[in-house]
Amino acid sequence: DVKVTQSSRYLVKRTGEKVFLECVQDMDHENMFWYRQDPGLGLRLIYFSYDVKMKEKGDIPEGYSVSREKKERFSLILESASTNQTSMYLCASSLLGMDTEAFFGQGTRLTVV
Amino acid sequence: QQQVKQSPQSLIVQKGGIPIINCAYENTAFDYFPWYQQFPGKGPALLIAIRPDVSEKKEGRFTISFNKSAKQFSLHIMDSQPGDSATYFCAASDEAAGNKLTFGGGTRVLVKP
Repeated sequence: DVKVTQSSRYLVKRTGEKVFLECVQDMDHENMFWYRQDPGLGLRLIYFSYDVKMKEKGDIPEGYSVSREKKERFSLILESASTNQTSMYLCASSLLGMDTEAFFGQGTRLTVV
Repeated sequence: QQQVKQSPQSLIVQKGGIPIINCAYENTAFDYFPWYQQFPGKGPALLIAIRPDVSEKKEGRFTISFNKSAKQFSLHIMDSQPGDSATYFCAASDEAAGNKLTFGGGTRVLVKP
């Protein structure tokens, strides 16, 4: 089974802190994604990567950055956490190509106080 | 501005009923339309998907209906069961733009015994 593992289920951080969310997938997928999930807004794409060291902005990249130094690992960085970044963060991975299934991690519930 | 609009936000049905979730999209370049199911505390998982050259697809008790001219698609859950209680997300992607998914806002479905 494909497994996408996010390093933390719950995080509480203070405003202004630098926050790292880590994601690892074990199926050699080329694509990796970071989404945030908010009630009524569904999942919104923050950043994605289709190869090591490659990244592209999604729909809501402001206040975030990413790093992909190894194929299996994709990190989301909140440079200076703010309360409006309190949310559920979901990492996903998929193969390149048509109609490929995205596999999601269990999510990290981040609270910024 | 959501490119994929989903309705309703929530739905309650009795066991055996047929919840119907509707989605509408704007981007005519979208060429892949999956539905994801999410249980509490879990990441979303692929349920069923359709391409625009097909008007209907069935997998078990789940059916997608697709209307390309109206830019709308819907999910029907036949003979719904309490175990179907979950949040459902429609999504769309454009292969030429990579496999990034654009999600609807989600529908919370409750099936009462």
